Amino acid sequence: KNQVEQSPQSLIILEGKNCTLQCNYTVSPFSNLRWYKQDTGRGPVSLTIMTFSENTKSNGRYTATLDADTKQSSLHITASQLSDSASYICVVTLGGSNYKLTFGKGTLLTVNP
Amino acid sequence: NAGVTQTPKFRVLKTGQSMTLLCAQDMNHEYMYWYRQDPGMGLRLIHYSVGEGTTAKGEVPDGYNVSRLKKQNFLLGLESAAPSQTSVYFCASRRTAGQETQYFGPGTRLLVL
Repeated sequence: KNQVEQSPQSLIILEGKNCTLQCNYTVSPFSNLRWYKQDTGRGPVSLTIMTFSENTKSNGRYTATLDADTKQSSLHITASQLSDSASYICVVTLGGSNYKLTFGKGTLLTVNP
Repeated sequence: NAGVTQTPKFRVLKTGQSMTLLCAQDMNHEYMYWYRQDPGMGLRLIHYSVGEGTTAKGEVPDGYNVSRLKKQNFLLGLESAAPSQTSVYFCASRRTAGQETQYFGPGTRLLVL
């Protein structure tokens, strides 16, 4: 069964600290992996997308990595800000499909001052 | 450029009532999607459309119908609402398939009593 597991479920850090969120998937065949940020009460917003051949992608203070061999991805947030408080969702697209995206349940990040 | 908009933002229904959720996008995107998001679960695809006049079932289509009469609009209908359909509904659109970014609307919160 195609699944996307994220850890931790929730995380609390202090402003200015770094953190890393994890995503493990069993989706096969694999097309691409995306990380989304979802603020409370809002729709998800795309942060990064990586294909099989890419192992790292950055978007400002967000850096995503992908290990397609172990089917693991991570999202590293550097020098966190209060505005980083949100749910971060890992999404994997099934290869050969236009619509079969498997969403993780998300990691809820809280950045405290 | 408003992006993806959803109407209404919030609605309360009684069991058995019907309603239509409207999604509109002004980006000339071909692909549009309806998802539901429930606590403790990842987003799940209800229906999707790959172009004007086309619709297809997603992962959880039962109890819902959709229509895409105009390219910019994607309607989600509940013919006879059930408490199990209490959820937050997100519409998304994408220019084409593949690596294109999916843009989400702000969501519609639906409560069925």
